[in-house]
Amino acid sequence: DAGVIQSPRHEVTEMGQEVTLRCKPISGHNSLFWYRQTMMRGLELLIYFNNNVPIDDSGMPEDRFSAKMPNASFSTLKIQPSEPRDSAVYFCASSLGGQAYGYTFGSGTRLTVV
Amino acid sequence: DQQVKQNSPSLSVQEGRISILNCDYTNSMFDYFLWYKKYPAEGPTFLISISSIKDKNEDGRFTVFLNKSAKHLSLHIVPSQPGDSAVYFCAAGGGNAGNMLTFGGGTRLMVKP
Repeated sequence: DAGVIQSPRHEVTEMGQEVTLRCKPISGHNSLFWYRQTMMRGLELLIYFNNNVPIDDSGMPEDRFSAKMPNASFSTLKIQPSEPRDSAVYFCASSLGGQAYGYTFGSGTRLTVV
Repeated sequence: DQQVKQNSPSLSVQEGRISILNCDYTNSMFDYFLWYKKYPAEGPTFLISISSIKDKNEDGRFTVFLNKSAKHLSLHIVPSQPGDSAVYFCAAGGGNAGNMLTFGGGTRLMVKP
């Protein structure tokens, strides 16, 4: 299995532009998570899907952020409009669920908003 | 309110010595705990876990200790190697958190040759 695949690896965009981050989870995993890593906050959970349904989006910073999971093999995180404070590394992770497994993370997307 | 805290942002250790990374949590409902290791430009990878019914779990050079009364866990690496240099995140889950893991802020470990 290729693992969790995120694209793009790097994204540089101008303030005000729309940004879309993509994630393909591991086949068969039924949970998908979007995390953001910053120096100040470490790894913070943005949103969590279970069986393609959003379960908890309380970590989404504001209405500029939205996430979708149209099917079991694809998810997007969209920021519109983007702001410089959104600059961070965004990770997607998937899990089979249950206590023993933990998460498998993708390699992340480094977003820079100038 | 951070439910999982790693109070040391960085730690420097000599090769061959013991590395001890600490983590504190506040939610007594958490019933399993994990450590992840992260190299630059890569996603975190699972390292070791422990269930709340245990107080110790060992895997090669890595041992995790859990003190439930103190709501504290630690990761011991013995002996430390330069390849262990990375950021280590502790995470907690279970109870009313369901499938969600809550991560600490990370500790950057530097093992000097």
